[in-house]
Amino acid sequence: EVQLVESGGGLVQPGGSLRLSCAASGFTFSSYSMNWVRQAPGKGLEWVSYIDSSRPIIYNADSVKGRFTISRDNAKNSLFLQMNSLRVEDTAVYYCLRQGHHGEGDYWGQGTLVTVSS
Amino acid sequence: EPVLTQSPGTLSLSPGERATLSCRASQSVISSYLAWYQQKPGQAPRLLIYRASNRATGIPDRFIGSGSGTDFTLTISRLEPEDFAVYYCQQYGSSPLFIFGPGTRVDIK
Repeated sequence: EVQLVESGGGLVQPGGSLRLSCAASGFTFSSYSMNWVRQAPGKGLEWVSYIDSSRPIIYNADSVKGRFTISRDNAKNSLFLQMNSLRVEDTAVYYCLRQGHHGEGDYWGQGTLVTVSS
Repeated sequence: EPVLTQSPGTLSLSPGERATLSCRASQSVISSYLAWYQQKPGQAPRLLIYRASNRATGIPDRFIGSGSGTDFTLTISRLEPEDFAVYYCQQYGSSPLFIFGPGTRVDIK
């Protein structure tokens, strides 16, 4: 069974940093590209960041460029999101998702809440 | 930047009725890389349809995806009580990589 479990969310002050993790199991992690998507309270879905399965190819949304860094450790079946210079508008539930072969997010984690507030 | 528009914003229907949800793209969707998701309160989105018309694993056949180019439709042939939720369409592109529509809420009438 495919499982994605996020952790690392919490309350942080504006300008602060946080590192999210996503533990993957039930599939060959190194064979899949992965993404982070977020959802602000009561709002829709916003794609944040992408990382290729094995090559160093990364894409970020304009809203997080220069502040967020996606990475992965295929040996540990783990995905990460380092978030720096956090803003109030980064407050959201952050989901990690596996990317399927047709550009879809075929499996999603349960999400971790990041709250940026003073 | 490509934009997805979903209509209606809210659909109020009764169990057993047919639901028709629309997703329109501002630019043609490459290779019909268009997906649909269902999200219930407090839960992560769940993939229903990928590549416009293919049901994901375990998705009942009452969920039907169709369309190509810039116009796509998700049809729920007969609404079950568990189908009342928010539905998002998503396009896979070049920049940004994932584009989501604003969602359609399907409410119980």
